[in-house]
Amino acid sequence: AQSVAQPEDQVNVAEGNPLTVKCTYSVSGNPYLFWYVQYPNRGLQFLLKYITGDNLVKGSYGFEAEFNKSQTSFHLKKPSALVSDSALYFCAVRDGGGGYQKVTFGIGTKLQVIP
Amino acid sequence: KAGVTQTPRYLIKTRGQQVTLSCSPISGHRSVSWYQQTPGQGLQFLFEYFSETQRNKGNFPGRFSGRQFSNSRSEMNVSTLELGDSALYLCASSPGLTDTQYFGPGTRLTVL
Repeated sequence: AQSVAQPEDQVNVAEGNPLTVKCTYSVSGNPYLFWYVQYPNRGLQFLLKYITGDNLVKGSYGFEAEFNKSQTSFHLKKPSALVSDSALYFCAVRDGGGGYQKVTFGIGTKLQVIP
Repeated sequence: KAGVTQTPRYLIKTRGQQVTLSCSPISGHRSVSWYQQTPGQGLQFLFEYFSETQRNKGNFPGRFSGRQFSNSRSEMNVSTLELGDSALYLCASSPGLTDTQYFGPGTRLTVL
């Protein structure tokens, strides 16, 4: 069975500092990996995805994520955090290894950017 | 293109009642998924439909059901509501089964 872990319930970072939100996954086949962001009382917004190719994926709002197959990780990063980045971030995985699999989401990490 | 729309946005019901939630996907998207979001539980997968067929189902009781129409619009139904069904129900659409999902704003269901 596929799974996603987001080990930190909350991440606090000062405005202007780099930020990292961690995600590890487990699938039996090739992983399709996604990051979404959720602002209060809103649905999820797609940030970026990894299907194949370059391990460093660039997405919306200056975010990027690095796929690391050996560590089964897909951490979300941004070089300089903004207060407006404060939100709930979800990592998700779909097993692309044959047949059809659902998307599994992590429990979410709350990012707090401190002015 | 218009985004995913969900109706109603807010709903208050009492225990034992049933409820139907509606989702209109992005034009051209044929896959619709439903999720339940509660604090501390993250997003729990309910089911996914593609071309009017249920392709996958999560671990929810039979009180939760859904369907998809020929125009790709989808509905989910919850019968015999329980207090624990209070949650934000999110719908997501995608062009195909393995594509990126795009989410609607959700329906906030409160069961009293």
